Amino acid sequence: KNQVEQSPQSLIILEGKNCTLQCNYTVSPFSNLRWYKQDTGRGPVSLTIMTFSENTKSNGRYTATLDADTKQSSLHITASQLSDSASYICVVSPRGGYNKLIFGAGTRLAVHP
Amino acid sequence: NAGVTQTPKFQVLKTGQSMTLQCAQDMNHEYMSWYRQDPGMGLRLIHYSVGAGITDQGEVPNGYNVSRSTTEDFPLRLLSAAPSQTSVYFCASSYEEGAGTEAFFGQGTRLTVV
Repeated sequence: KNQVEQSPQSLIILEGKNCTLQCNYTVSPFSNLRWYKQDTGRGPVSLTIMTFSENTKSNGRYTATLDADTKQSSLHITASQLSDSASYICVVSPRGGYNKLIFGAGTRLAVHP
Repeated sequence: NAGVTQTPKFQVLKTGQSMTLQCAQDMNHEYMSWYRQDPGMGLRLIHYSVGAGITDQGEVPNGYNVSRSTTEDFPLRLLSAAPSQTSVYFCASSYEEGAGTEAFFGQGTRLTVV
């Protein structure tokens, strides 16, 4: 069964610190992997999209990495800000067929001053 | 830049009532979909549409109907609400159905069925 597992479930860090969120998936065959940011009470917003041939993709202070061999991805946040407090969702798209995204449950990040 | 607009933002229903969640997009996207988000779980696909007049079921379609009469609108109908349908519902759209195209989400509708 296609699954996406994220860790940790929740994380608290101090403003200015870095953090790394993990995503493991069993989706195969695999087309692309996305990271979304979801603020409380809002819809998910795309941060990065990586195809299976890409190893890294950056969007400002957010850097996503992908290891298609081990089926692992990480999202690294540099110099965290209070506005980074949100849920971060890893999403995998299977290859072929319609764009049926498989969502992880997310990591809830809280950045404290 | 309205993007994807969902209404209402909040709704309380009694068991057995019916209602329609509205979703509209102004980006001329062909692909639209409905998800539900429950605590501790990833978003799950309810129904999707690859263009006007074409809809199909997703992972959890039971109890929901959809139609796509125009490119812009994709309403989700709850026929007879049940407490198990208490959830946050998100509508999403993308330019096409191919993998790799970015999906844009609405702000969600929080539905409570009592």
